[in-house]
Amino acid sequence: DQQVKQNSPSLSVQEGRISILNCDYTNSMFDYFLWYKKYPAEGPTFLISISSIKDKNEDGRFTVFLNKSAKHLSLHIVPSQPGDSAVYFCAAIGFGNEKLTFGTGTRLTIIP
Amino acid sequence: NAGVTQTPKFQVLKTGQSMTLQCAQDMNHNSMYWYRQDPGMGLRLIYYSASEGTTDKGEVPNGYNVSRLNKREFSLRLESAAPSQTSVYFCASRDRGNMNTEAFFGQGTRLTVV
Repeated sequence: DQQVKQNSPSLSVQEGRISILNCDYTNSMFDYFLWYKKYPAEGPTFLISISSIKDKNEDGRFTVFLNKSAKHLSLHIVPSQPGDSAVYFCAAIGFGNEKLTFGTGTRLTIIP
Repeated sequence: NAGVTQTPKFQVLKTGQSMTLQCAQDMNHNSMYWYRQDPGMGLRLIYYSASEGTTDKGEVPNGYNVSRLNKREFSLRLESAAPSQTSVYFCASRDRGNMNTEAFFGQGTRLTVV
């Protein structure tokens, strides 16, 4: 039972344009959501997060949107840069529960 | 500040052999995790530990055992390795005291079972 889903295995975006990565979840007990970036042969690194009490969080070029009613979150990267080419994972955790669940990942390729 | 350290970085095992993957963190985090990453499957949780002395199963615990030796260390043991356990294994830790915090990952252990 995949509780966190990333339905797009890959995405290609022109440099300078907006990249939008999507994530859906099924567990209504999740209340904190995170995005991680992963380069080959490295461990995942934290990018940005959002609490369920918010619907938007920004950090520089990165913005995460949360739609609780749809159980959907998205990561926007504007403008996209070649260094953004990586695999992106969304993750979720519920209050009082330390089980951190990840999605299957989306491979983002930025085309120069 | 080393963060999360995993050893070894690479390992080749024969089917049926056993081994322990080591993980240590120096951030005084309460929670620690073991994940495996396989193509198309994302990061799947094997086991996690919310505090010293406690462990819980994740999504794919079969074939693995864990030990939370102390607050710093969380080891993953394969008692009888199988080719299906060929994967990249990641350890992570998180500050449980502050509810909304991220997990920090190690560099990974690439395990091949032949």
